[in-house]
Amino acid sequence: NAGVTQTPKFQVLKTGQSMTLQCAQDMNHEYMSWYRQDPGMGLRLIHYSVGAGITDQGEVPNGYNVSRSTTEDFPLRLLSAAPSQTSVYFCASSSGLAAQETQYFGPGTRLLVL
Amino acid sequence: SQKIEQNSEALNIQEGKTATLTCNYTNYSPAYLQWYRQDPGRGPVFLLLIRENEKEKRKERLKVTFDTTLKQSLFHITASQPADSATYLCAFFTGGGNKLTFGTGTQLKVEL
Repeated sequence: NAGVTQTPKFQVLKTGQSMTLQCAQDMNHEYMSWYRQDPGMGLRLIHYSVGAGITDQGEVPNGYNVSRSTTEDFPLRLLSAAPSQTSVYFCASSSGLAAQETQYFGPGTRLLVL
Repeated sequence: SQKIEQNSEALNIQEGKTATLTCNYTNYSPAYLQWYRQDPGRGPVFLLLIRENEKEKRKERLKVTFDTTLKQSLFHITASQPADSATYLCAFFTGGGNKLTFGTGTQLKVEL
């Protein structure tokens, strides 16, 4: 199993550009989520999904869109990038909704918005 | 809102000693609390989960305690090794069990 994969690893955008961060998992996990990690702020939840076709907002959803058309994929879209979105983005998945489930994280995407 | 606090200052200890990291939380009573390890440039890796009715949980050289009265969890690494150097994060679920809230993490450095 590849686990949780994220592409690209690095990306540089100009302000106003759009892009999609890809996340895929091959563990048949129902729960998937996106986080951003900034120095001194820790990991903050952007959006999450409890199954295909179901998404919901996390702590910092503004400026980001998500969709979940399949169990395997959970892309994160930046419609109009801003310098404040410069961060490291992590995708995670788990087999269930309960708080006792282990979260499996991807390797991250480092995004720089100029 | 729910808040998790971890010591933002790095913890430096000597090899072989026990490292103790602290996680305090407010405005919530989690039923479960998780600990993760994060190495530079990598995603967090799950280490341990402890339930509110479990005062202590062990896994090899790792031990986690959960004091719901003090609203605190302690994470211990015994016989620490330089390979244990990393950032350690605590986290719990809120929002009906769907939202995972993380602390900012504590960096541990184990020196020879």
